[in-house]
Amino acid sequence: DQQVKQNSPSLSVQEGRISILNCDYTNSMFDYFLWYKKYPAEGPTFLISISSIKDKNEDGRFTVFLNKSAKHLSLHIVPSQPGDSAVYFCAASGVNSGYALNFGKGTSLLVTP
Amino acid sequence: DAGITQSPRHKVTETGTPVTLRCHQTENHRYMYWYRQDPGHGLRLIHYSYGVKDTDKGEVSDGYSVSRSKTEDFLLTLESATSSQTSVYFCAIRDPGQRSYGYTFGSGTRLTVV
Repeated sequence: DQQVKQNSPSLSVQEGRISILNCDYTNSMFDYFLWYKKYPAEGPTFLISISSIKDKNEDGRFTVFLNKSAKHLSLHIVPSQPGDSAVYFCAASGVNSGYALNFGKGTSLLVTP
Repeated sequence: DAGITQSPRHKVTETGTPVTLRCHQTENHRYMYWYRQDPGHGLRLIHYSYGVKDTDKGEVSDGYSVSRSKTEDFLLTLESATSSQTSVYFCAIRDPGQRSYGYTFGSGTRLTVV
């Protein structure tokens, strides 16, 4: 069963506007959440993370929000740029399985000029 | 990516043949992971290792085995390749002291089983 869910396979946003990518999880034992960005023919690269003791983490244009009660997190990109076009994976980890990351299926973001 | 390399980058093999993929790291990290990426499934954990000769199964381990005889190398073997194992395989390493950035991934191996 998928423990991390990204229900939007794709998202299209205009350059300069906000991109919001959503992620839900089911396992209450997860205590670290991360976003990865992936370009074609490359491995995923780390973007931003948040610990379960926080509800917000910001890094430049990227902000991740965590709502533990709803088991929901979101990634905000402001302003969106064409170079942000990629697949974004939400991931979560806990103490189990060697802190292995559980990934969502990904959301393909297209930022149009 | 810096510190982690996968080989080969591409491979085509026939059904029923054994295949071994290699992951090599220069970071001396204890944890190493093998994932596969498929359309509609995201990244799914196959096996992971938490030290030399210490390995465990992930969610999609059937048909795969791994070995780690040295800290720097983590091998993934398909004992008898099937078409359902056509996928892109990613290796990852993790610094156990740094949960905030998760893993560093390799560039992937694209495997086609015909």
